[in-house]
Order: sequence, then structure tokens, then C-alpha cells
Amino acid sequence: QKEVEQNSGPLSVPEGAIASLNCTYSDRVSQSFFWYRQYSGKSPELIMSIYSNGDKEDGRFTAQLNKASQYVSLLIRDSQPSDSATYLCAVRPGTYKYIFGTGTRLKVLA
Amino acid sequence: NAGVMQNPRHLVRRRGQEARLRCSPVKGHSHVYWYRQLPEEGLKFMVYLQKENIIDESGMPKERFSAEFPKEGPSILRIQQVVRGDSAAYFCASSPLAGQSTDTQYFGPGTRLTVL
Repeated sequence: QKEVEQNSGPLSVPEGAIASLNCTYSDRVSQSFFWYRQYSGKSPELIMSIYSNGDKEDGRFTAQLNKASQYVSLLIRDSQPSDSATYLCAVRPGTYKYIFGTGTRLKVLA
Repeated sequence: NAGVMQNPRHLVRRRGQEARLRCSPVKGHSHVYWYRQLPEEGLKFMVYLQKENIIDESGMPKERFSAEFPKEGPSILRIQQVVRGDSAAYFCASSPLAGQSTDTQYFGPGTRLTVL
């Protein structure tokens, strides 16, 4: 079992719709969770971090964390073509090492 | 307000040559991390350094790879006798703190290494 699992996609959504990206992790002691966006050929860019169970909202983005289910998700409301990218879920089980999933490729169709 | 800087951005080497990748962290950040991203894969942790110290190199191959973060100057990731399988994007990240629950790593633009 991979430590951090994501559906590779592509996930295609129409412009204006809600995109839902999911991630599961195996290490129960993990306390910190991150979503990064990566455009093709570019570096990862931090979108959201979440540390407590529940929802965390920032603009069009909402991160959801359920530690009991070992599940973290990212919702993108009012999806735009510029949101088309690969979204990387990262988990930090300890104090510094990030464990990344392989990413979900999102396509927002105009 | 410069972010993490990496150079070169693109590096081409022939098999058997050495590759030296440089990373300058965000000003004031004393923690540097190196990750490798193979095509169509996620980022894999390689090594964590503080000034003059290697804290964790558990993700770095035992042979041919080395890293340093000297008191002065950038962090260096060195790959000796490169092979085609070393072709990847190498990202450096830095953070101001480590061990803090809210600490976040910020990534540089990466160095794309191609081994011919």
C-alpha cells in the first residue's frame, strides 16, 4: 500500500463546476496535510495546509480532513480553465519529511 | 523578496559525468530539503539539511549522491557518474523552522537534469 494515494485522473470538470480531489494516507500519526498545485514543467505551489479535522476554506478552495478515515480532500469551487494542473497531496507524519502522492491531473473544460 | 532559487534550471550531462545542483533558500530560512520527481511521478524526499549538518539523508541513494549546506553559500546536491535513470526534476525547498506543526516548505523552480 502506498503511503499517500491519489487517483491519477485526469479529472475533467466543466468551467464553473466544483472539482473534488481526494487523498488517502496510511500513517495514522500524521498531523499535517498540504495541497500543492503543479503546472506542467513548473514547481509545486502551496494552496492549502490543514492540521485539524473538519473544513478549512480559503477563497474558492476548501480542504477537508478526516483523521479517523485517514482522508483529506480539496474542493475547488467555480473551477476555471486556469485551475487545470496536477494537484499534489502531501502528508507530514513527523516533523519535516513530506510524503507526496503522485498527484491528480485536473482539466477544467471551457 | 526572493524565494527559493535554484540553478541551473536545466542541466544536460553525458553518462559518467558529474552534476552539481545549487539551491539558495529563502532569506532567513535555515532548513533545506531536496526532492526528486521522476516523469509522471510524485516528489520523493531525498535529504534534509541545516547549515553544516545533514539531518536526514534516508531518501538519498547511498552511492554517487551527496549533499551539503555550508555555512556560507548555497546548498549543493552532487551526483557523480550520472546514469540515464538520474534524469529527473530536482526540487529544493526551504523552511524557517522544523518541528513546528505549522511549518511549511516552499519550493524552488527546480533543476531539470537530462542524462544523455
